[in-house]
Amino acid sequence: EVQLVQSGAEVKKVGESLKIACKFSGHRLGIGWIGWVRQKPGKGLEWIGFIFPKDSDTTYSPSFQGHVTFSADNSIDTAYLHWRALQASDSAVYYCARRPPCDNGLCYTWFSPWGQGTRVTVSS
Amino acid sequence: QSLLTQPPSVSGAPGQTVNIVCAGTVSNIGAGFEVHWYQQLPGAAPKLVMSRFSSRPSGVPRRFSGSKSGTSASLVITGVQPEDEADYYCQSYDTTLNNDVVFGGGTKLTVL
Repeated sequence: EVQLVQSGAEVKKVGESLKIACKFSGHRLGIGWIGWVRQKPGKGLEWIGFIFPKDSDTTYSPSFQGHVTFSADNSIDTAYLHWRALQASDSAVYYCARRPPCDNGLCYTWFSPWGQGTRVTVSS
Repeated sequence: QSLLTQPPSVSGAPGQTVNIVCAGTVSNIGAGFEVHWYQQLPGAAPKLVMSRFSSRPSGVPRRFSGSKSGTSASLVITGVQPEDEADYYCQSYDTTLNNDVVFGGGTKLTVL
């Protein structure tokens, strides 16, 4: 069974950099894609983008392109979401979620499981 | 305005049937992209409860079902239970976003 475990809550200041982690395990047939989703307090889910850890191919939502960066370290089965310069508006809970790999040409478009979320608080 | 439109809230008494609609367009559901549904209990991460419009993952109660009609998808809970009170989100892909992921705005289910 695939599991995603995220790093703990972060409290940062505007302008600081940050990297949060999503460790994946239990993926006997390959992890597939790791997607990232933002949820601001009391609001809905916002798509940030995803990374294919096997070759580090990335796709970013236009709304987040240039502000965040994805990376992955396959030696420790971990994906990362990073910011070079946080803004107060980045305060939110961030989730990672797995999209399964394609299997014999059949591709799956849902996300399961999800990590438990990482709360990021950015103050001025 | 989301490309996938959901009602902000629905409600039902225990045992009633609740239907949550995800209204899409020709650029997402109408373009052949599938819809998936997630349940987010208070303070928890989202959880997949329906994939490919009507496929129920292992462990999801049978009272959850899904369907597609035209450019809309529905999540139906037949015999809603108090533990079903949560936010529900539909998810698909959209050609106007270069075939990228899109979420509906979410629906708060209140069990009266």
